[in-house]
Amino acid sequence: AQSVAQPEDQVNVAEGNPLTVKCTYSVSGNPYLFWYVQYPNRGLQFLLKYITGDNLVKGSYGFEAEFNKSQTSFHLKKPSALVSDSALYFCAVRDMNSGYSTLTFGKGTMLLVSP
Amino acid sequence: GAVVSQHPSRVICKSGTSVKIECRSLDFQATTMFWYRQFPKKSLMLMATSNEGSKATYEQGVEKDKFLINHASLTLSTLTVTSAHPEDSSFYICSIPSGTRYHNEQFFGPGTRLTVL
Repeated sequence: AQSVAQPEDQVNVAEGNPLTVKCTYSVSGNPYLFWYVQYPNRGLQFLLKYITGDNLVKGSYGFEAEFNKSQTSFHLKKPSALVSDSALYFCAVRDMNSGYSTLTFGKGTMLLVSP
Repeated sequence: GAVVSQHPSRVICKSGTSVKIECRSLDFQATTMFWYRQFPKKSLMLMATSNEGSKATYEQGVEKDKFLINHASLTLSTLTVTSAHPEDSSFYICSIPSGTRYHNEQFFGPGTRLTVL
């Protein structure tokens, strides 16, 4: 079985400061990891993913994430937060030992960036 | 990425009625579509995998007779909530995979907010 944990319900950061949204995962095989963002009453938008190779993955809107196999983490980061980054962020995982349709999401972390 | 639309974006209905939600892939042929349900302040729960030309695959605990899925073409999947009850009120989101590999991301529709009175 695979699972994802996002330990923080909410992250607050001031505009211009760096941000981190945490994610840890559990899989039986090799993980494929994803970050999605959801704005109010909207569907999810893909931000970035880790497949293999370089542990630092760069994605849309200046976001990046670092894959750490020993800590089973895939934290989302951005060097300088914008007010417009305020949204709900989901980490998700799929591993090769699960069915193709089995994309497991974390419960989400609300990011609030204050001016 | 592919554009996915859903219709309606919002629907309010009376208890006992049926509601149909459409999910369209506007620029991408999708043999597979996924239907999710999202509760307030909760994560997404996969309800079923819609397969073009064949029966949908439902996740454990999802009533297939209540949530009817039809994937009639490569660009359209519909979810019908039959005999809706207030507990069916939720945000329903569809998605299509960008490819057939495990590392392919999904493109999500904008969602449909269902409120059952």
